[in-house]
Formats: sequence, structure tokens, C-alpha cells
Amino acid sequence: DSGVTQTPKHLITATGQRVTLRCSPRSGDLSVYWYQQSLDQGLQFLIHYYNGEERAKGNILERFSAQQFPDLHSELNLSSLELGDSALYFCASSVTQGPEAFFGQGTRLTVV
Amino acid sequence: GQNIDQPTEMTATEGAIVQINCTYQTSGFNGLFWYQQHAGEAPTFLSYNVLDGLEEKGRFSSFLSRSKGYSYLLLKELQMKDSASYLCAVRDPDSWGKLQFGAGTQVVVTP
Repeated sequence: DSGVTQTPKHLITATGQRVTLRCSPRSGDLSVYWYQQSLDQGLQFLIHYYNGEERAKGNILERFSAQQFPDLHSELNLSSLELGDSALYFCASSVTQGPEAFFGQGTRLTVV
Repeated sequence: GQNIDQPTEMTATEGAIVQINCTYQTSGFNGLFWYQQHAGEAPTFLSYNVLDGLEEKGRFSSFLSRSKGYSYLLLKELQMKDSASYLCAVRDPDSWGKLQFGAGTQVVVTP
């Protein structure tokens, strides 16, 4: 157990819908990262938050947004869902300058 | 951007040694990581190299040559549980929070 908690574990939804994925980082970790992993794209960096502020953005679609709250948990919002958004979404957290990021178990999103 | 290449699949026998190579092309460098990922599970951190040389951690070792844009992960005394995907990742030089991952090398350990 990495100490990073993601909910829900599985999510099935229809095209055009909106979902919210939640992540609670390890106790004391200020950084939260979101990654998307699909079969054809591998593990892709989406966004990084540090202590509530956005620090880096990857190839995140405009339909996707994220935020980190004062209690440090983070949410990833995916809207106008398409079949191609089906993937595993991972959250990871780390200490301020630590090289090691701890990954949660992921949310498997299936868009039908 | 950065380009990261690693072999797609490798097969080795239980008890043997396997070396997974990773080459990267980048405009800057701020550290290289290796992660292990079993199918459907979360990646788990194995090693981090920022200076040239070998880092050893139990049965796993990782080597880095920055001048050659090259790293390898060495797995010794292979066990069946080592069957997994091994991901090489490079940290963005402008953003320490951003990792770019290679496609992963699937290692299959046979009896």
C-alpha cells in the first residue's frame, strides 16, 4: 500500500458525460500528479499540483481539469467524455523535493 | 520534448540476469527513474539516477551515462514475481514534477 488513495476504483459512464476522480495523497506530501495510461499511449503525464497551485501541465485536454484543495486532496474532472478517454487514471504524490513519487492504485474509467 | 526508447519485451529464465536498456534524447536532464508495474496495478518506484554511474539496491541496479543519453536497469537472480513491465522515465528539466515515461519493457520470467 503506497498510502495514496484513489476513488472510485472503477467507473463506467456514457459518452458525453462528466466524471470526477478523487485522490488523497500520502500524509505530508504536498505534491500531487495525475497520469493517464491507455493501451496505445502508455503512461502520460497530465498535471502537477503543489500545495494547491498548478506547477506543470502535460498534454491535458481542455475537457479535463484538476484542482488541489486546502486539505491537499485533488480531483480530476473529465467532461464531454469520449470513447478514447477510457483508460487507467493514476494519481501520485511526493514530498517537496523528493525524487520518488508514490502511485495510487488508479481509477479504471470505461466510457461506453 | 523528450524521446525515450526501450525494448518492448524481454524473456529470461528464473535465476538469470536481465538488462533493460533505455536511451533518451532531451534538451536538458534532471534525473532518470525506473518503475516496475504489474498488469493493472500501480507503478512502484525502483531507482533514481541523476549522476553518472551505478546505483545498487538489492537485486536491482541502475546505471546512467548522461553523455550517452543511456541508462540500464539490471535485474539479478530473477524470480517469477519479477514478471512485469519496467518503465524508464526522465524528469523534465524545467519542471521537477513532470516525468516523461517510455512505453515500458515487458519482462517475462520463465521457469
